[in-house]
Amino acid sequence: GQQVMQIPQYQHVQEGEDFTTYCNSSTTLSNIQWYKQRPGGHPVFLIQLVKSGEVKKQKRLTFQFGEAKKNSSLHITATQTTDVGTYFCAPTYSSASKIIFGSGTRLSIRP
Amino acid sequence: DGGITQSPKYLFRKEGQNVTLSCEQNLNHDAMYWYRQDPGQGLRLIYYSQIVNDFQKGDIAEGYSVSREKKESFPLTVTSAQKNPTAFYLCASNMGTGELFFGEGSRLTVL
Repeated sequence: GQQVMQIPQYQHVQEGEDFTTYCNSSTTLSNIQWYKQRPGGHPVFLIQLVKSGEVKKQKRLTFQFGEAKKNSSLHITATQTTDVGTYFCAPTYSSASKIIFGSGTRLSIRP
Repeated sequence: DGGITQSPKYLFRKEGQNVTLSCEQNLNHDAMYWYRQDPGQGLRLIYYSQIVNDFQKGDIAEGYSVSREKKESFPLTVTSAQKNPTAFYLCASNMGTGELFFGEGSRLTVL
């Protein structure tokens, strides 16, 4: 079935360092969403990207959607301990299809 | 307040028993989803429903069953045919392909 690869699986950074997670698909996406899940919690929506080449920012978070709409990234500048959690991409392959999830990138931070 | 309610939060089951997890939403969303999450893993789609009285299998539907008799309700039955049912189950809903709203989840343990 349709699959998306998300890398890296884990990342452990010093507080204040930057963090990036990538989501790659072999086929064109309709749109892509990003979610954050804190330990023990449920995923919480961060953003949705729809347009080719789209870039959106939320404070220290920058989201990009590739020109070919096959890949996306989430970049966090100057991480803080509140950023700890697992970040998932969730692509949609057509306008009326199911939402699947990438395998996630778990971010841990050294204070 | 609008949202998604899952129950029970914790459930223990003996091998060979069927159990039903409840998911209710008052967001007037058309689509509802069930995901399974194993420890340290991503979310895998079990079943989804885009309209009342209709639902589709996700990637891991074997051993599970659902119904969608009402717009606001999408119960999941974990049958005895599911060989490894211990997991965290998450229900979600959305409109179209927009933001997914998640419930708090149900943790099922097979004794």
